[in-house]
Amino acid sequence: QLQLQESGPGLVKTSEILSLTCTVSGGSVSSSPYYWAWIRQSPGKGLQWIGTVESSGTTYYSPSLKSRVTISVDTSKNQFSLNLSSVTAADTAVYFCARGGPGFPFYFDYWGQGALVTVSS
Amino acid sequence: DIQMTQSPPTLSASVGDRVTITCRASQSIRSWLAWYQQKPGKAPKLLIYKASSLQSGVPSRFSGSGSGTEFTLTISSLQPDDFATYYCQQYNNYLYSFGPGTKLEIK
Repeated sequence: QLQLQESGPGLVKTSEILSLTCTVSGGSVSSSPYYWAWIRQSPGKGLQWIGTVESSGTTYYSPSLKSRVTISVDTSKNQFSLNLSSVTAADTAVYFCARGGPGFPFYFDYWGQGALVTVSS
Repeated sequence: DIQMTQSPPTLSASVGDRVTITCRASQSIRSWLAWYQQKPGKAPKLLIYKASSLQSGVPSRFSGSGSGTEFTLTISSLQPDDFATYYCQQYNNYLYSFGPGTKLEIK
């Protein structure tokens, strides 16, 4: 059974970088034709897709966050990661990692439990 | 960007009721629509993909229909475990977007 688990700081200071890692177990981030995504949920904005990475490293980002987001994959560790720079209180949310697939276009069939990240000065 | 809307925002129903939730897209998304169920403190759970395909392990009382811009999720006979919030999501292109959700409450 595929499992995804988010990890990272639960509190980030305003203007700093939010960094989260998703560890995949019971499957491989190199599996084709699957994609690996970050999605967040805040009370004010509901569910928001942040971006997606393929095992090749190809990325797709939400236009509204593109200037601040970097998503990468580490196949040796079976992980993928999210960096969101210059954070503000508006970035406070529960961050989910998820698997997209099979194939393109894709829906999200497996999700992590979510990680609450609070941005505060 | 494709905007998704859902109606109603809140739905009160009783165990055994048949309920329908509607999702609309701001432009055609063909059949590239998924439905998720989310309970408090949990991740969304995939119920339906490609508008009407039931995800493995999901009870057959859940069904989806529609294409283009209008879609529905129907629960044929509500069970106590079904009270949750339901979201639609379009995946017509790589700019994925979700609806605002419909909260299904016990009447």
